[in-house]
This record gives sequence, structure tokens and C-alpha cells, in this order.
Amino acid sequence: QSVLTQPPSASATPGQKVTISCSTSGADIGNDLVYWYRQVPGSAPQLLIYKNNQRPAGVPDRFSGSKSDTSASLAISGLRSDDEAEYFCAGWDDRVTGWVFGGGTKLTVL
Amino acid sequence: QLQLQQSGPGLVKPSQTLSLTCAISGDSVSDNTAAWNWIRKSPSRGLEWLGRTYFRSTWYHDYAVSVKGRITINPDTTKNQFSLQLNSATPEDTALYYCARGANGFDVWGRGTMVIVSS
Repeated sequence: QSVLTQPPSASATPGQKVTISCSTSGADIGNDLVYWYRQVPGSAPQLLIYKNNQRPAGVPDRFSGSKSDTSASLAISGLRSDDEAEYFCAGWDDRVTGWVFGGGTKLTVL
Repeated sequence: QLQLQQSGPGLVKPSQTLSLTCAISGDSVSDNTAAWNWIRKSPSRGLEWLGRTYFRSTWYHDYAVSVKGRITINPDTTKNQFSLQLNSATPEDTALYYCARGANGFDVWGRGTMVIVSS
């Protein structure tokens, strides 16, 4: 069982907006900073959001992150078929002095 | 452009040592703004961070509780790479192993090495 809690699946149609949640209540996330990754089958994970709401160079502004108390969210707007992937949240857990991940949310674009 | 090139055997016998190497190009293992990590993914455990090494005037190491006592991550400054050694491997260590740079998140990943622990 993962320390960070995500819904196992989400779905939406092209063009819509989808939000994926990540509960951090099971951890003591250092500096309250959450990170988001996307993984397409057969590829390594890709960093989408760092420090709650910052986008690395090259990540479209369709992707946005937020955090409030023990809940973080990743929002994807203008959904496209190639957004179909698994999305993970992560953070540094001060309780175990290590990085922890959510169990992942498989996004289906209908 | 930063790239991480992984190498190592894909099959390890139980009780033996799982060893992987991650060669860095486009950055230095001694970069004092980055950390060099090993992460694995398996159906039973999902994504699991194993540990890291980093240089801040001296070398530091952090290891996950789940593998502490069995794991060593070492930098090699002469070859600009870092390695993972996981002792006393069991079938539970069967997973897809990734190396990754930590700098504002895991911003660069290796392609992954599938390691099967089986006799």
C-alpha cells in the first residue's frame, strides 16, 4: 500500500479537463512539496510538475498542480488522446527520510 | 543534453547481488545541486525509491527503510557514473529499475533495466 493515496483510475473525453488527487495525510511531506510524473507504457516516468505547481521547461501549460493542506491535485485541461498514461504523485517523507510515491492513477481518454 | 545510460544483468539468482550502473553524460556525479537516485517499479510495490547519493563538499547517502542493510549506492567520479548494489536478492526484488537525477524532482531518468531474480 502506497504512502500517498491516489484514485486508481480516471477518465474523461478529449477536450475536457480532468483532475487527479493525491492525499498526503499518510506522510510528513517535507516543505509541503509534491511532484507529479507521467508514465506511458514502455517509457520511463516524466516529470510534469515540481514543487506543487511549477512546470519544467517543455511541459505544456495544460498541466497544472496545486496543493492545500494534505491534498495535492494535478489538473489536465484540453485533454488529448496522448494524455492517456499513468500519473504518479511523489514527495519527500520526513518520517522515513526518503521519497515516497502514490500508487498511480491510470487516465483513460474516452 | 543530460542522459543516463543504465547497464547491468537482467537476471540474478536468489541470494546473489543485484548490480546496476548508471553512466551520466551532460552533468557530473559531483554536481553539488543534484542527487543521483535509484528507483524501481513492480506490480506489487508500484514505484519505490531505493536510495540516493549526492555530493555537498563530501559524499552523502540515503537509503529506503525497505532495503536498508542490503543496499549500497556508490559514485564513481573517474567514470562519471553511480552504481546500485542490492545484496541477498530475492524474487521480491524482481522489478524494472531506473536511475534518475534529483534536481527539483526526478527530472531525468534512465530508460530502465528489467531485473528478474530467479534460479
